[in-house]
Amino acid sequence: EPEVTQTPSHQVTQMGQEVILRCVPISNHLYFYWYRQILGQKVEFLVSFYNNEISEKSEIFDDQFSVERPDGSNFTLKIRSTKLEDSAMYFCASTAQTGELFFGEGSRLTVL
Amino acid sequence: SQQGEEDPQALSIQEGENATMNCSYKTSINNLQWYRQNSGRGLVHLILIRSNEREKHSGRLRVTLDTSKKSSSLLITASRAADTASYFCATDKGSNYQLIWGAGTKLIIKP
Repeated sequence: EPEVTQTPSHQVTQMGQEVILRCVPISNHLYFYWYRQILGQKVEFLVSFYNNEISEKSEIFDDQFSVERPDGSNFTLKIRSTKLEDSAMYFCASTAQTGELFFGEGSRLTVL
Repeated sequence: SQQGEEDPQALSIQEGENATMNCSYKTSINNLQWYRQNSGRGLVHLILIRSNEREKHSGRLRVTLDTSKKSSSLLITASRAADTASYFCATDKGSNYQLIWGAGTKLIIKP
């Protein structure tokens, strides 16, 4: 069964460093998302991406965040200068317009 | 505004019993979905119910939707230890399939 894959599974970084989280969505899906979940808290929407551009973003997704789909298969989330409060689980998801989102296993980001 | 609030926050039952979790939301929706998350893992889609549907079944899962009360319930029948997980409702307002999530119900099934 096709699945969304994310790398790395866990990344530890120093505050102020840049981080890139990678995702490979399901191949025939058209909509891509990044969500995050701070430990023990609810899942929060960051950004949606369609037709090679951001379709919607939340207040969390400020200038420090960016997304890219560089090669038609990968979908990346970049955090330019990480802060302690960026520590969270970051989930990539995709959908084929059914409304059902398929999630990856997540990338745990720890900012020290 | 807060969307998709589940209750209870935590539920502990004996294996074999039924588990019921509720979700309330505030604005109009296109559909409502339930997801499961095992500890430290990704989110797994369980069931989607559209705004014009009132009830849906999938195996041991039964979901109801009451749009007049802006609420939904997830019933897991004949629970198993493997059902131990957090369960989240998420609402889709119809904008790019973006989901808004509740805080989840942590379900523990005691063997």
